[in-house]
Amino acid sequence: QVQLQESGPGLVKPSETLSLTCAVSGGSINNYYWSWIRQPPGKGLEWIGYISYSGSTNYNPSLKSRVTMSVDMSKNQFSLKLRSATAADTAVYYCARDKSVARSFMGWFDPWGQGTLVTVSS
Amino acid sequence: DIQMTQSPSSLSASIRDKVTITCRASQSINTYLNWYQQRPGKAPKLLIYAASSLQSGVPSRFSGSGSGTDFTLTISSLQPEDFATYYCQQSYSIPLFGPGTKVDVK
Repeated sequence: QVQLQESGPGLVKPSETLSLTCAVSGGSINNYYWSWIRQPPGKGLEWIGYISYSGSTNYNPSLKSRVTMSVDMSKNQFSLKLRSATAADTAVYYCARDKSVARSFMGWFDPWGQGTLVTVSS
Repeated sequence: DIQMTQSPSSLSASIRDKVTITCRASQSINTYLNWYQQRPGKAPKLLIYAASSLQSGVPSRFSGSGSGTDFTLTISSLQPEDFATYYCQQSYSIPLFGPGTKVDVK
């Protein structure tokens, strides 16, 4: 079955760019929508945005000015960049797939990666 | 903007108890409501999508109902592995999760 694995630096300095990659195995990145979701320690879940296999994107308005997502079909992976990081961006970052092949984004997240903790601190 | 609330924020229950969690949206979201289970240190897991559709592989003791603004997740007979935090999430507009309901041992 499809598995997702996040990777990237666990520590980012304030004002720098947080960069993460999600590698997809056991299936193709094609024909699906792929999301990033984060969870600050001890808090709830926040959707960051999605990118489709074709490269179309939609970001949470609260983060839109700082977020860029990209997809690399040749490597079967997609990426997140969050600029001007602050302590408020400290969180476990998850990548997730939309549940079903669809012509439009459904917002049903399954499966998820295991998550990676990113701490923003000097 | 749509706001999501859940009640209760936490509850204590025993094995084989029937558990009901409520989720409310600040405006109608039709049936664009999903439920997730998150165990400590783990990623969330999709349980119910489109308000009442059971995700493949999820035990039938989980069920969802509701439409419009009011939704319910029911666990018919609580099992040891069900002690976790449950989140609702609307997919009517920009995905937004509820604040969560923690189910722990009575």
